[in-house]
Amino acid sequence: SQQGEEDPQALSIQEGENATMNCSYKTSINNLQWYRQNSGRGLVHLILIRSNEREKHSGRLRVTLDTSKKSSSLLITASRAADTASYFCATDYGYGNKLVFGAGTILRVKS
Amino acid sequence: NAGVMQNPRHLVRRRGQEARLRCSPMKGHSHVYWYRQLPEEGLKFMVYLQKENIIDESGMPKERFSAEFPKEGPSILRIQQVVRGDSAAYFCASSEDRGRGEKLFFGSGTQLSVL
Repeated sequence: SQQGEEDPQALSIQEGENATMNCSYKTSINNLQWYRQNSGRGLVHLILIRSNEREKHSGRLRVTLDTSKKSSSLLITASRAADTASYFCATDYGYGNKLVFGAGTILRVKS
Repeated sequence: NAGVMQNPRHLVRRRGQEARLRCSPMKGHSHVYWYRQLPEEGLKFMVYLQKENIIDESGMPKERFSAEFPKEGPSILRIQQVVRGDSAAYFCASSEDRGRGEKLFFGSGTQLSVL
């Protein structure tokens, strides 16, 4: 399977703490993307990192990519209660934008 | 600029009935993807379409499921003779005509419940 796998499956932290989620994949990729899903809603794109990039920032988000280990991490700094959601990594393979999603990490930020 | 629109938001069907799920991509987007999500799982790819063409249907069950994206109108995911195992959230996503590696814009999904 080329599916990304996130860990941990669930993460519970206090507001203000940092949250780190990891994603591993199995085959070569063109890019890796992170998405967020609030309960009962569609996915929202957070950040895209290409295979020739090692680190990318967007606001309180920091994503790293290690192609030698086929892994990526998403760091959310200074978390807020509103960050409570499920976070998915997705890798692209094949023609077009056919993304393969992992099972996700459920993040709960307690206020 | 409206986002990806899916309807209905919730759909209840009895076993053996047909389910039709609709998706209007973002304006200017010509690529549509359908995904299925079971509770507490990630999204599973079903089918990728461009206008009037099915590009990749490798994730679609061989029987009872079909998808189209006509020249005019929304993309339709059709499930015939639904069974309880079809109960899931079905998400549509679209992207611009830029080829590989761009982000997807998702609709809010259709929650299908089969009684």
